[in-house]
Amino acid sequence: DSGVTQTPKHLITATGQRVTLRCSPRSGDLSVYWYQQSLDQGLQFLIQYYNGEERAKGNILERFSAQQFPDLHSELNLSSLELGDSALYFCASSPRPSYNEQFFGPGTRLTVL
Amino acid sequence: DQQVKQNSPSLSVQEGRISILNCDYTNSMFDYFLWYKKYPAEGPTFLISISSIKDKNEDGRFTVFLNKSAKHLSLHIVPSQPGDSAVYFCAASADYGQNFVFGPGTRLSVLP
Repeated sequence: DSGVTQTPKHLITATGQRVTLRCSPRSGDLSVYWYQQSLDQGLQFLIQYYNGEERAKGNILERFSAQQFPDLHSELNLSSLELGDSALYFCASSPRPSYNEQFFGPGTRLTVL
Repeated sequence: DQQVKQNSPSLSVQEGRISILNCDYTNSMFDYFLWYKKYPAEGPTFLISISSIKDKNEDGRFTVFLNKSAKHLSLHIVPSQPGDSAVYFCAASADYGQNFVFGPGTRLSVLP
């Protein structure tokens, strides 16, 4: 158990809908990262937050947005969902940016029908 | 354009033998590399790392080798155990720990 929690575990929705994925980092970690893993693909870095502020952006679509709240939990919002958005979404946390490892949550499996 | 490649989608090894997982990268600015292991229905877990100032890092049964001129790194597991069966991801960063780029993973099966 990494100490990172993600909810929900599974999510099934329809095209065009909007969903919110939630992540609670390990106690004491200030940095949160979001990744997308599509079928047979590596983890694609989406976005990173540090202490409430956006720190780095990866291959995140404009339909996706995220935020980190004062209590350090983070939410990833996915809107106007398409079939291709079906994937595993992982959240990871670390004590600070540039820490030498990230601790991953169990992921949220999103299925768009 | 895949900056981090793991050209073997899968690998099978006999228990007790050596497992060698390979990773190639294209970005010469990468200066920090990690290996993660992932079991089904779990998130990846950190295994071992190496910075570009080293060519080898060892942690128990796990050793990572870095060949900067070839832009290649490898993970050696000796001896392999059935519990090592998992998907292994190679990851690289040009910002020392930020903006990691992950490879597609190699599924290792250690046969008893």
